[in-house]
Amino acid sequence: DAMVIQNPRYQVTQFGKPVTLSCSQTLNHNVMYWYQQKSSQAPKLLFHYYDKDFNNEADTPDNFQSRRPNTSFCFLDIRSPGLGDAAMYLCATSRDRGTETQYFGPGTRLLVL
Amino acid sequence: GENVEQHPSTLSVQEGDSAVIKCTYSDSASNYFPWYKQELGKRPQLIIDIRSNVGEKKDQRIAVTLNKTAKHFSLHITETQPEDSAVYFCAASKAAGNKLTFGGGTRVLVKP
Repeated sequence: DAMVIQNPRYQVTQFGKPVTLSCSQTLNHNVMYWYQQKSSQAPKLLFHYYDKDFNNEADTPDNFQSRRPNTSFCFLDIRSPGLGDAAMYLCATSRDRGTETQYFGPGTRLLVL
Repeated sequence: GENVEQHPSTLSVQEGDSAVIKCTYSDSASNYFPWYKQELGKRPQLIIDIRSNVGEKKDQRIAVTLNKTAKHFSLHITETQPEDSAVYFCAASKAAGNKLTFGGGTRVLVKP
């Protein structure tokens, strides 16, 4: 009965080699978020989709892109991973923006060699 | 933009004692305040939240209080147990906004 699913749970990539992380949800929520989290720091929002409307955070590097082909799926593409991109990537969903509760997936831990 | 500060950054308590974590926020328009618990290597999980139309909310051993005038809110854990050991994050958002603003986190260690 998992609600927010992320695959893979662990991803190893090489410096500069494109990588895609995936997220799916069974909640039929309108909003899907991608966060980057390092070393027990607070999650840092990269961007979110409100339905099909993409919203990028001002400080998200161009190296990070996202796609949402339908309500259930959302992808995070890292075009040229650097060593500093090694982190936990968390997907979250909410029914709406604003004051709606966000539900997090289990995360994908990315290692860049 | 919104800024959320969280204190302390680490908290060590004896099993059975209470733990209190405090957060302050800057945007008076914020009106939703969730608390997330994150165990090592796992996802943040919502443990309790409060909206600005109430001043306190309880769920078993966990309670949250909100002071809108002072723009601060607190998490109270009573009768702490070793399984309460984790990192706790407070956050704030507003109806017209589009994201949560997180505090820096508090690492709680409950010693048996």
